[in-house]
Amino acid sequence: DTEVTQTPKHLVMGMTNKKSLKCEQHMGHRAMYWYKQKAKKPPELMFVYSYEKLSINESVPSRFSPECPNSSLLNLHLHALQPEDSALYLCASSQVLRGLYNEQFFGPGTRLTVL
Amino acid sequence: AQTVTQSQPEMSVQEAETVTLSCTYDTSESDYYLFWYKQPPSRQMILVIRQEAYKQQNATENRFSVNFQKAAKSFSLKISDSQLGDAAMYFCAYKGDDKIIFGKGTRLHILP
Repeated sequence: DTEVTQTPKHLVMGMTNKKSLKCEQHMGHRAMYWYKQKAKKPPELMFVYSYEKLSINESVPSRFSPECPNSSLLNLHLHALQPEDSALYLCASSQVLRGLYNEQFFGPGTRLTVL
Repeated sequence: AQTVTQSQPEMSVQEAETVTLSCTYDTSESDYYLFWYKQPPSRQMILVIRQEAYKQQNATENRFSVNFQKAAKSFSLKISDSQLGDAAMYFCAYKGDDKIIFGKGTRLHILP
């Protein structure tokens, strides 16, 4: 199984809502990533978990809250978002974080719209 | 800090023809990997090809090959016999010891 799955595929939320994005992989990878991607732009790294611990936080606003309950799951909790947060949110995983050769496997993404 | 530059925002190629996408990068590291990722419209990002910096031989995957010039810090992607399914956004990416750095992407159109 070389797949990263993400739910939901699409999400529409108001600025006062609380929602969560979910990501799952069963490849035994110990590094998992959240990216934000705007249309026609490259993915922007948000968070990295390595062995279930937060290793990289790219100065993301606190209205985004990541969580890694176990080695297979990654969540992104959303609260009080702004319309400019509307984007495609990609999850990825790799065998480990450090080291040269670590191909990242990407999920299909969650298309988020904030009204 | 490492940077990745893709100078061609969009390109078009006739079906069955060959096209080359350019990528340059800047780094002070001696060991690293370079990748080309493909992201079709509304579809998943997938790895097309990878190149280890310590290998002089250019990587090849079926119709996809790279021209890796380490001294010039250049890493171009050649697609031979272009097919309609090759239409996508292509991202060049650099990986040292830490996170991946993506270029801004090149949107490739395939003309039937």
